[in-house]
Amino acid sequence: KQEVTQIPAALSVPEGENLVLNCSFTDSAIYNLQWFRQDPGKGLTSLLLIQSSQREQTSGRLNASLDKSSGRSTLYIAASQPGDSATYLCAVDNQGGKLIFGQGTELSVKP
Amino acid sequence: DAGVTQSPTHLIKTRGQQVTLRCSPKSGHDTVSWYQQALGQGPQFIFQYYEEEERQRGNFPDRFSGHQFPNYSSELNVNALLLGDSALYLCASSSWTENTEAFFGQGTRLTVV
Repeated sequence: KQEVTQIPAALSVPEGENLVLNCSFTDSAIYNLQWFRQDPGKGLTSLLLIQSSQREQTSGRLNASLDKSSGRSTLYIAASQPGDSATYLCAVDNQGGKLIFGQGTELSVKP
Repeated sequence: DAGVTQSPTHLIKTRGQQVTLRCSPKSGHDTVSWYQQALGQGPQFIFQYYEEEERQRGNFPDRFSGHQFPNYSSELNVNALLLGDSALYLCASSSWTENTEAFFGQGTRLTVV
């Protein structure tokens, strides 16, 4: 049974800092891994998708890596801004569209 | 492109009642999945629909049922509502044949009193 864990549960950093969010999963037989952002009470916004054959994906200040053998992914956010404050969720797909989510990391970027 | 749209945005129901939530997928997508997100938790997979059939199901009781229409839109029905069904219900659309990202709607906040 796939289990996804995100560490830390919450993170508070000053504006401008580079930061790393961690995601680990127990079953390495995945189709892909996706990182999402969720603002309070809102839906999920897709940030990055990494296919199982890929090692990393980049979009602007965001970079996500994937190491299937160790069951780990990281989301790197460069030069953080107060607008980056949100909950970040990772989800793995190892069953054709059924996403298994972690509990999320609540990020607060202080001006 | 309107993306994934869900209705209603908020709903208050009484314990024991029935509720129907609706979802229209992103243009070009043919697969709809439903998730339940309790406060402070990650979303939990309820079920997935493709070609008007339920293809996968998570660990949810039969009180949760769904439907997909020929235009790919979908409904989630919950019968005999319990207080514990209060949550944010999220709809995700994707492509059955392409291993690409899933897009989510803004969700329906269901409160059972």
